[in-house]
Amino acid sequence: DTGVSQDPRHKITKRGQNVTFRCDPISEHNRLYWYRQTLGQGPEFLTYFQNEAQLEKSRLLSDRFSAERPKGSFSTLEIQRTEQGDSAMYLCASSGQGMIGELFFGEGSRLTVL
Amino acid sequence: ELKVEQNPLFLSMQEGKNYTIYCNYSTTSDRLYWYRQDPGKSLESLFVLLSNGAVKQEGRLMASLDTKARLSTLHITAAVHDLSATYFCAVDYGGSQGNLIFGKGTKLSVKP
Repeated sequence: DTGVSQDPRHKITKRGQNVTFRCDPISEHNRLYWYRQTLGQGPEFLTYFQNEAQLEKSRLLSDRFSAERPKGSFSTLEIQRTEQGDSAMYLCASSGQGMIGELFFGEGSRLTVL
Repeated sequence: ELKVEQNPLFLSMQEGKNYTIYCNYSTTSDRLYWYRQDPGKSLESLFVLLSNGAVKQEGRLMASLDTKARLSTLHITAAVHDLSATYFCAVDYGGSQGNLIFGKGTKLSVKP
């Protein structure tokens, strides 16, 4: 399978705990994006990387959220001190150079905060 | 603030009928994308529209872009049940950086 893969697919946690999601993009893609989607809404942009550089962060990304892409390949998104409002589907997408912004999405990691 | 509005948000159609989904956006952009999402699944890219007057067709779906009116349409011809899904339009506000603003989606249900 050469698509975008995300892990875990589902995570249930208690409020206040930390969670981490991993994304492996399509191997030749140098751009990687994190989006968040809540029920009945379209995805909302969180942040994106070009290679290992984090080039933009949405104001939706509070201080409790941190994303890394240390070697320009896979990425992690960590949420510290989770809140119930963090419950959502976290989508990762990748895009290649010159691909005119067309994003290829993974299956997502669904977070439920109790 | 860039806004992307789709209508209708819910659409129930009978098989064989035609219908159009509309996507309006609030600022200038030459890049518009349509995605499909099946329940519990991720988003699948359908169309990339890059310029005013662009029209693309795939099977029973046809998408067009009018950048002057800030309007894109997704036309469904002779709907079949397999087209049941949620359809999102998205506008690139970051100068092709992939920072897309999505509409709320149109949930399409095609009934026999």
